[in-house]
Amino acid sequence: ELKVEQNPLFLSMQEGKNYTIYCNYSTTSDRLYWYRQDPGKSLESLFVLLSNGAVKQEGRLMASLDTKARLSTLHITAAVHDLSATYFCAVSKVGGSEKLVFGKGTKLTVNP
Amino acid sequence: NAGVTQTPKFQVLKTGQSMTLQCAQDMNHNSMYWYRQDPGMGLRLIYYSASEGTTDKGEVPNGYNVSRLNKREFSLRLESAAPSQTSVYFCASILFHTLGGRYNEQFFGPGTRLTVL
Repeated sequence: ELKVEQNPLFLSMQEGKNYTIYCNYSTTSDRLYWYRQDPGKSLESLFVLLSNGAVKQEGRLMASLDTKARLSTLHITAAVHDLSATYFCAVSKVGGSEKLVFGKGTKLTVNP
Repeated sequence: NAGVTQTPKFQVLKTGQSMTLQCAQDMNHNSMYWYRQDPGMGLRLIYYSASEGTTDKGEVPNGYNVSRLNKREFSLRLESAAPSQTSVYFCASILFHTLGGRYNEQFFGPGTRLTVL
């Protein structure tokens, strides 16, 4: 059974600081996704990582994937208040019609 | 393009009542999904439809039924609502080819917040 674990679940950081969110998964996967969710809102797709060593960056967020370690990271550089949100990673099962298994999410609060 | 739309946005039911959550997408996607989101649990897959005319169970299907009415629409029905079904329900659809650098990206609807008393 595919399981996805994120840590930390809660993260409070100051503006300007760097931090990393970790996403571990238990079995071989086709793809790994990162989403952002603001309170009361839907999920916004941030990154889709397709292969080992994949790295994608957008603004202050950078995601990477190590399929051998079954680990993805979401690195936040010089955090700003606007990045406050809940971040989810999700993994699709191999050959599984893109059924996603989600982590529990990391609630990020960036304080001025 | 409206993307993925869901109705209603909010609903309050009494235990034992039934209702149908509606989802539609105008992006010509083949596959559609229903998830529920509970506090501290992430999203969990209820049912999915890989293509028109097919449906299959996800992780938490008990108490739900689905209908893939056509390529655009995928509905979720609660036959006899229970308090444990209080949740936020998200519908999603997927694009299975590269488009502007995106690949197999799931697009989510705005959600339906359901409370069962």
